[in-house]
Amino acid sequence: AQSVTQPDIHITVSEGASLELRCNYSYGATPYLFWYVQSPGQGLQLLLKYFSGDTLVQGIKGFEAEFKRSQSSFNLRKPSVHWSDAAEYFCAVGAQSGGYQKVTFGTGTKLQVIP
Amino acid sequence: EAEVAQSPRYKITEKSQAVAFWCDPISGHATLYWYRQILGQGPELLVQFQDESVVDDSQLPKDRFSAERLKGVDSTLKIQPAELGDSAMYLCASSRTVNNEKLFFGSGTQLSVL
Repeated sequence: AQSVTQPDIHITVSEGASLELRCNYSYGATPYLFWYVQSPGQGLQLLLKYFSGDTLVQGIKGFEAEFKRSQSSFNLRKPSVHWSDAAEYFCAVGAQSGGYQKVTFGTGTKLQVIP
Repeated sequence: EAEVAQSPRYKITEKSQAVAFWCDPISGHATLYWYRQILGQGPELLVQFQDESVVDDSQLPKDRFSAERLKGVDSTLKIQPAELGDSAMYLCASSRTVNNEKLFFGSGTQLSVL
């Protein structure tokens, strides 16, 4: 079965600083990978996804992520963080199972942005 | 942009009572998911529908939880009886096809069991 590990529970960055959130996955074949963002008390919104092709993917709100097969990683990055980026970020892996795709989420990284 | 609708937004109940949550996915989305999110954790899949059929309910506590999507459109998740450990956010999501691509999430139902 597939799994996702987000090693950082909580990260604090200064506004304007760069950001990298770590994600490691476990899956025997080529995975589908996602990053979602969740504001307090809300549902999740897709930031970006990787299915195949270019290993550097661009998403909404200035985020990007790089798929590294050798490291089983899919880290999320942003060059300059804005106060509005404070939220919880979830990495997820999609894997084929019985003719359909099952999406498994990590435990999340809560981002705090300080002035 | 079309949204996934969920109700109620909040639900407070006493243990041993029955509760029900409703979800209306984006029109035309064949796949519907119910996730449970305990505070401080990631969403955990409870049940996944393809049209009106259940394709995955391996993590659904079937002794107390039930889910249906009778006409392949909206869906109801029920808990009977509720237990203290059921307190969580219940999220509904939908996608166009069984090969997820992108999941669209509703705002969730926050359940508190007293």
